[in-house]
Amino acid sequence: QQPVQSPQAVILREGEDAVINCSSSKALYSVHWYRQKHGEAPVFLMILLKGGEQKGHEKISASFNEKKQQSSLYLTASQLSYSGTYFCGTEIGGKLIFGQGTELSVKP
Amino acid sequence: GAVVSQHPSWVICKSGTSVKIECRSLDFQATTMFWYRQFPKQSLMLMATSNEGSKATYEQGVEKDKFLINHASLTLSTLTVTSAHPEDSSFYICSLQGSTDTQYFGPGTRLTVL
Repeated sequence: QQPVQSPQAVILREGEDAVINCSSSKALYSVHWYRQKHGEAPVFLMILLKGGEQKGHEKISASFNEKKQQSSLYLTASQLSYSGTYFCGTEIGGKLIFGQGTELSVKP
Repeated sequence: GAVVSQHPSWVICKSGTSVKIECRSLDFQATTMFWYRQFPKQSLMLMATSNEGSKATYEQGVEKDKFLINHASLTLSTLTVTSAHPEDSSFYICSLQGSTDTQYFGPGTRLTVL
């Protein structure tokens, strides 16, 4: 039931782009994206509710392909502050189940 | 968005003792709260769903007699780790679902059992 994220880890230079993918074997009705810094609680980034929906805020955006049961998070022109572990979450029976996480490191 | 607090932020206890963690919703009445556990370098694993005024619903593999959950009011849920052992050492995080389907997380409680 746990969604699968890829890649598991990625290292970027400041200013480079990254894509994090999230896929599920079950039908998706919504996808949530969070970022977690070490030792802190996850911070909400965005939620996508409809198939084909795309959202974005500044240089972080996401898409949701309901038919493919996939979502992707796009980080463009990465900044040092983007470093952290990114989790996608899918709602199953009212509960949020998280993927295993993608560790993103942005180097100067 | 909803503001969620947890207390304590961290706790160190001896093996065999019980530890209570509080999760408070400061500005939202939550009939449902969630408890997660996160081991180092791992994902957040849902432990249980806390329901106000009724019994919690536990995920498969989570011992309900060991992890006691009480949700006595719309703003407070507590998780008590009974007879804690070193393998219970973890980061415990609560969350609640706001009005827009977004889940808001508390800051977490780091439990270390010696």
